[in-house]
Amino acid sequence: QSALTQPASVSGSPGQSITISCTGTSSDIGSFNLVSWYQQHPGKAPKLIIFEGNKRPSGVSNRFSASKSGNTASLTISGLQAEDEGDYYCCSYASSGTLLFGGGTKLTVL
Amino acid sequence: EVQLVESGGVLVQPGRSLRLSCVGSGFNFDDYAMHWVRQAPGKGLEWVSGITWNGLTVDYADSVKGRFTISRDNAKNSLYLQMNSLRDEDTASYFCAKDNGYYYGSGTLEDWGQGTLVTVSS
Repeated sequence: QSALTQPASVSGSPGQSITISCTGTSSDIGSFNLVSWYQQHPGKAPKLIIFEGNKRPSGVSNRFSASKSGNTASLTISGLQAEDEGDYYCCSYASSGTLLFGGGTKLTVL
Repeated sequence: EVQLVESGGVLVQPGRSLRLSCVGSGFNFDDYAMHWVRQAPGKGLEWVSGITWNGLTVDYADSVKGRFTISRDNAKNSLYLQMNSLRDEDTASYFCAKDNGYYYGSGTLEDWGQGTLVTVSS
């Protein structure tokens, strides 16, 4: 059960778009369309922003979108806003019957 | 409004046991799978365990398998995590999270509690 691989940090200026990658294996991301993404602000609980690959929960901005290619999932945030700053985590179901999280990516809005 | 409230986190010595609880409200507790997720200080999220709506199927991360036990009491809208043989590396905030379906394998943790801090130290 190895964690999914995410870049440690990304940054962008307000209005720009950024993409966070999440790399797994053929036993998790590559085999299932069950990737979710979470946003976490300091001292707060994580918040679901994408589920089942590319679906957004009610109330989540359409500036958040996601995709998958092979064993890699990606989260794109368009029109960056200051409030988007925080930590982002991917998560995938694995063939072992467990869930795996990525190591997290710190997004800085410059 | 969905609410999840964890409790039971304390300072405990290595090798000892602890039971965490999570009470859910604002939804039909027995319709949903539930999860425990932990976060060590300054570190990322780690899925710990999941349980189906009826409690009949559970699974664990390798790091806790054989030491932790997840359970639920739907009559009390409660989720539990029995933690035995605690180690220093179990120090973390433990979050309870509600799935969006019956089975925890969806990987969709749509609501989270605020967490309870477990510190394992001598």
